Amino acid sequence: NAGVTQTPKFRVLKTGQSMTLLCAQDMNHEYMYWYRQDPGMGLRLIHYSVGEGTTAKGEVPDGYNVSRLKKQNFLLGLESAAPSQTSVYFCASIQSPTNEKLFFGSGTQLSVL
Amino acid sequence: DQQVKQNSPSLSVQEGRISILNCDYTNSMFDYFLWYKKYPAEGPTFLISISSIKDKNEDGRFTVFLNKSAKHLSLHIVPSQPGDSAVYFCAASGGSNYKLTFGKGTLLTVNP
Repeated sequence: NAGVTQTPKFRVLKTGQSMTLLCAQDMNHEYMYWYRQDPGMGLRLIHYSVGEGTTAKGEVPDGYNVSRLKKQNFLLGLESAAPSQTSVYFCASIQSPTNEKLFFGSGTQLSVL
Repeated sequence: DQQVKQNSPSLSVQEGRISILNCDYTNSMFDYFLWYKKYPAEGPTFLISISSIKDKNEDGRFTVFLNKSAKHLSLHIVPSQPGDSAVYFCAASGGSNYKLTFGKGTLLTVNP
């Protein structure tokens, strides 16, 4: 089972460029999340989705957009990348709020120069 | 305002001894607490959890204790093994939407 798959695994952008990070899960989970991890900051929630066609802002949403057109996919977009968005991005999913385990992907290392 | 705090960035213990990782929270609405373990270049993986109706949950070498009055929880690993060396994140949730709030993490190093 693939679980939660993130693509790409690594990316280097120049300031002002745009890109989309793709998260795909094959567990038929309803809830999906995008987190970023920065040194000394832990994991911070960017955006999340409670079902197909829904999105909501998390703790640090500025500079990012998301879409959940299909239940299995959750896309994170950077319209105009900034050096402050250099981070490791993790996607996660869960079936329902009563389920204990949040499943994480292996992460995307993004550097913005 | 940090709602979940892990005040020790790192912890070093000897193999076979006990590792104790601490976590404090400020939001009284939190009713479910989890510990995640993360190895370098991998995503976090679920380790153990506890509901606010309990004060202890045990799974093999791992035990989580919850002190609601002090808004404090701790993870005990006994005995510690070198393979336990990783970053441990404390997380909490509460309310209708399942959003986890994470602490900054504690790097545990278990020395052979």
